[in-house]
Amino acid sequence: SAVISQKPSRDICQRGTSLTIQCQVDSQVTMMFWYRQQPGQSLTLIATANQGSEATYESGFVIDKFPISRPNLTFSTLTVSNMSPEDSSIYLCSAGLYNEQFFGPGTRLTVL
Amino acid sequence: AQSVTQLDSQVPVFEEAPVELRCNYSSSVSVYLFWYVQYPNQGLQLLLKYLSGSTLVKGINGFEAEFNKSQTSFHLRKPSVHISDTAEYFCAAFYGGSQGNLIFGKGTKLSVKP
Repeated sequence: SAVISQKPSRDICQRGTSLTIQCQVDSQVTMMFWYRQQPGQSLTLIATANQGSEATYESGFVIDKFPISRPNLTFSTLTVSNMSPEDSSIYLCSAGLYNEQFFGPGTRLTVL
Repeated sequence: AQSVTQLDSQVPVFEEAPVELRCNYSSSVSVYLFWYVQYPNQGLQLLLKYLSGSTLVKGINGFEAEFNKSQTSFHLRKPSVHISDTAEYFCAAFYGGSQGNLIFGKGTKLSVKP
């Protein structure tokens, strides 16, 4: 199994600012993903973080708003840019393959 | 498009009673199915998974699920729940492709009352 940590665990931010969320996995993994969980909703995939190349974004998500980095096989960051109250969500990092994915504890973001 | 449907958004149940959380998935030649649990203010934890083989899958904390291809269902069951089972439960599916991302249902909030 893989243990995933995220920083920060929660934050309250002002409109128009940006926040970078870090995700660290305790072992090398092929696939890393970023999900968003809006209040009372299910998880929606934002993008697949690709090591050494640009992330692959799902429909409705763009790189300018959610830039992602993955410099190596155990670390990734997600930035939420130019935030608005609609960005208030839990952001979760996950890692693994189709047969087993592990999730981080999430970052609870509130935008005022 | 592939989808996962959880028919009940909330399920209240008394302690020690049996529970079933329903999940249906859109039909596909190949699908892998998962149940995750999310306790308050925590991340997701894998309860159990179906990849192939026996259609009855046993997971952690006494939960089990049955893969039913004809009904396209993967319902989660526990014969006797505890207060500590109060959480949100998500059904998820993987339909193939190189990315490996999961498609999640909307979740079912299980509330266990004394």
